[in-house]
Amino acid sequence: NAGVMQNPRHLVRRRGQEARLRCSPMKGHSHVYWYRQLPEEGLKFMVYLQKENIIDESGMPKERFSAEFPKEGPSILRIQQVVRGDSAAYFCASSQGITSYEQYFGPGTRLTVT
Amino acid sequence: DAKTTQPPSMDCAEGRAANLPCNHSTISGNEYVYWYRQIHSQGPQYIIHGLKNNETNEMASLIITEDRKSSTLILPHATLRDTAVYYCIVRVGRGAQKLVFGQGTRLTINP
Repeated sequence: NAGVMQNPRHLVRRRGQEARLRCSPMKGHSHVYWYRQLPEEGLKFMVYLQKENIIDESGMPKERFSAEFPKEGPSILRIQQVVRGDSAAYFCASSQGITSYEQYFGPGTRLTVT
Repeated sequence: DAKTTQPPSMDCAEGRAANLPCNHSTISGNEYVYWYRQIHSQGPQYIIHGLKNNETNEMASLIITEDRKSSTLILPHATLRDTAVYYCIVRVGRGAQKLVFGQGTRLTINP
């Protein structure tokens, strides 16, 4: 059973460009979470999604950030007009949902904004 | 979610048991104790969780005090690959919810 997959693993964007980060949950998992880890800081929750629904976006910055988890395909975290402060590692996790205790994390996408 | 307190860093000799403490004095009756770890820059890895009874799996043991205000994660025979940041998280059990990570304990296993 393949784990959580994220791509790309490394992404370099110039200021003002858009960044798209993809996450494919584990097979059978319908819940996806995005977390961000700024350099030398801890992990911070961003958003929690189920298929076609955003359940909790309390950790998402108010502007430029959006997330989706369509009926078909991976979950996408989109950052518009990136700034240097967006440089971080972005981790995706998945779970089966209300019947599960643990979340399984992907390897992360390291975004560097130049 | 209840706040947890962990020592910022610990050292342990390879082959010895590593005991990582966590204080969660404000834990509620329906909240579980979870442990995750993050090796270098990898994604966090689930280790173990428990409510009030001690738990053991292939990775570690979790000892929760009777009053549930603190717990200890035990890695019985630490190896160099166990060097990581260990996070103690308290949250309601089953259910799809976010994890709130603190600063964790940076455990270094020395040869």
